[in-house]
Amino acid sequence: SFVLTQTPSVSVAPGKTARITCGGDNIGGESVHWYQQKPGQAPVLVVYDVSDRPSGIPERFSGSNSGNTATLTINRVEAGDEADYYCQMWDSFTDRPVFGGGTKLTVL
Amino acid sequence: QLQLQESGPGLVKPSETLSLTCTVSGDSISRTNYYWAWIRQPPGKGLEWIATIYYSGSTFYNPSLKSRVTMSVDTSKNQFSLKLSFVTAADTAIYYCARLRDGYNLFDYWGQGTLVTVSS
Repeated sequence: SFVLTQTPSVSVAPGKTARITCGGDNIGGESVHWYQQKPGQAPVLVVYDVSDRPSGIPERFSGSNSGNTATLTINRVEAGDEADYYCQMWDSFTDRPVFGGGTKLTVL
Repeated sequence: QLQLQESGPGLVKPSETLSLTCTVSGDSISRTNYYWAWIRQPPGKGLEWIATIYYSGSTFYNPSLKSRVTMSVDTSKNQFSLKLSFVTAADTAIYYCARLRDGYNLFDYWGQGTLVTVSS
């Protein structure tokens, strides 16, 4: 089955840009979604179809996808962005969803 | 506003069956183009998809759990359910129900999650 690989942790200072990556074989041609999960809460969709945002998600959140890597970019990081972030795509070969292992974003 | 709420025992004994129900409010579970799913998260770990069901009853299971999982839907109650048999400590996790948006293949609404501990 398809495997999505995420760096376990990323640290960034407030006001800077955080980039969280999701690696997978030729993932660049796939539709990738990103979820934010704060401690004790359910995941929340923050970016879908690579770069679209659901209603209510700040424009600071954006996404891109090329080659073997999808990237979630958070501009002007705030303390409230500290959370775990998961990428997800649909494995059309096995016809099921696949999640990355998650990245813990720490705001210094 | 769509809401999902998990319910069920928080403690299950090893070798027994875990049973959870998700109650959907704010929209019909029979709405086309949406599926309903269970996803779990062991303490301190990542997300694992368990199973998905359509309102018609069509089911899709994670192969790694398929032999122990049964998912069902009750459209009259706007609920869907999960049964996981022969549980072990490895099944201890927060269990989330969620809505899967067909076509986009993403989970757009989640329940708050319920912790199920497997212990004697």
